[in-house]
Amino acid sequence: DGGITQSPKYLFRKEGQNVTLSCEQNLNHDAMYWYRQDPGQGLRLIYYSQIVNDFQKGDIAEGYSVSREKKESFPLTVTSAQKNPTAFYLCASSPEDRGFGETQYFGPGTRLLVL
Amino acid sequence: DQQVKQNSPSLSVQEGRISILNCDYTNSMFDYFLWYKKYPAEGPTFLISISSIKDKNEDGRFTVFLNKSAKHLSLHIVPSQPGDSAVYFCAASDGTSYGKLTFGQGTILTVHP
Repeated sequence: DGGITQSPKYLFRKEGQNVTLSCEQNLNHDAMYWYRQDPGQGLRLIYYSQIVNDFQKGDIAEGYSVSREKKESFPLTVTSAQKNPTAFYLCASSPEDRGFGETQYFGPGTRLLVL
Repeated sequence: DQQVKQNSPSLSVQEGRISILNCDYTNSMFDYFLWYKKYPAEGPTFLISISSIKDKNEDGRFTVFLNKSAKHLSLHIVPSQPGDSAVYFCAASDGTSYGKLTFGQGTILTVHP
C-alpha cells in the first residue's frame, strides 16, 4: 500500500530535550512538507523540501530543524529552542507538478506533548 | 497576516440538506484552491480542487465555486450525510512557491441525522 507514515503517534518531550518526528513516504513524491496544527488554527508550514538534500523554511521554522537525505524520508527535529512545542504535527508529500498546483497527501500525524 | 480565512468556526446542518462552507482570500496571486477534510487525530484528506481558470468544479456530492473578483470560494455538499461531519480546510497555492499551500483555520461541520 502506498502512503505516508508518521511515527510515533504520541510523543512526550521533557524540558530542554530535542525530539525527532519521523515521516516516511513510498509514493515516490519529490516534495515533502511539515505542518503544525494548534487548536482553532489552520495548518501552518514549518519546513518543506522540493528535492533530496534541499529544504526551505516555512512560516514558523524557528525552533525546528529538518533533513532530507533520502527521497522517502523527511524527519523533523523539535529542538529545545521551540518554547511552545505542544501541537499536532502533520507531514505531507506531493508529486512534481509544473501545472497549476499540487495536491498534498498527508500522514496520520504525531501529537507532541511536553512533560 | 491571514491570507486565507474561514470566518465560520462551525456549521450545523440537518442530514439531507445542503452544507455551504465559505473561504475568503486576500492574495491575488493565488491560482489554485483545494478543500481538505479532516477527522480528529488523523491527517487531512484531499476532497476537491479548482484552478483559477474555472469558476466551478463538481465531484459527486461536492461542488466548489470560485468568485475571483470577490476573492471568495465555497464548498457545497448536497445532500449532507452524517459521515460528512469533520473539519474542512480550504487551502490556496500561488504557483510561485513550489507546492506550498496556505491553509485557512478550518470549519467544523456537524451533520445531524
